[in-house]
Amino acid sequence: EVQLVESGGGLVQPGRSLKLSCAASGFTFSNYYMAWVRQAPKKGLEWVATISTSGSRTYYPDSVKGRFTISRDNAKSSLYLQMNSLKSEDTATYYCARRHGGYRTFDYWGQGVMVTVSS
Amino acid sequence: DIRMTQSPASLSASLGETVNIECLASEDIYSDLAWYQQKPGKSPQLLIYNANSLQNGVPSRFSGSGSGTQYSLKINSLQSEDVATYFCQQYNNYPFTFGSGTKLEIK
Repeated sequence: EVQLVESGGGLVQPGRSLKLSCAASGFTFSNYYMAWVRQAPKKGLEWVATISTSGSRTYYPDSVKGRFTISRDNAKSSLYLQMNSLKSEDTATYYCARRHGGYRTFDYWGQGVMVTVSS
Repeated sequence: DIRMTQSPASLSASLGETVNIECLASEDIYSDLAWYQQKPGKSPQLLIYNANSLQNGVPSRFSGSGSGTQYSLKINSLQSEDVATYFCQQYNNYPFTFGSGTKLEIK
């Protein structure tokens, strides 16, 4: 059974940093692109980052480019999101998601982890 | 960025009814369109990809259609467990973008 379990969320002050982790199991992690998607409270979904199987290619929207870094450790079946220079608008539930094979959709999602940016 | 305009924002229907949710892309996305269901307090689940391909394990009462810039999700024989918010997503171009969601309730 595919499982994605996020951790590392919490309350952080504006301008500070936070690192999220996602532990994957139930599939061959190194064979799949992975991603982070977030959802602000009572809002819609926003794609945050995608990383290739080897980690050599990463993709971000302008809203987080230069502040967030996605990475992975295939030996540990783990995905990470380093978030720097956090802003109040980064407050959201962050989901780890697996890319759906050859399609750039997301077929499995974690339960999500809450990040609150506030002074 | 490709803008995804989803309608309606909310929908109330009776059990057994058929409902349709629409998604309009700001440019041609060549069927690179997915639909997700998000039940209250839960993570999104993939329903449809490639505009009309049913994800494994999803009931056949869900179907997708469309091409170019216009896409739709149809739910036949509405069940109580279909109460959720539904989102479309384009993955033709980075940045991937989502529709604003349709909240479906039972009348």
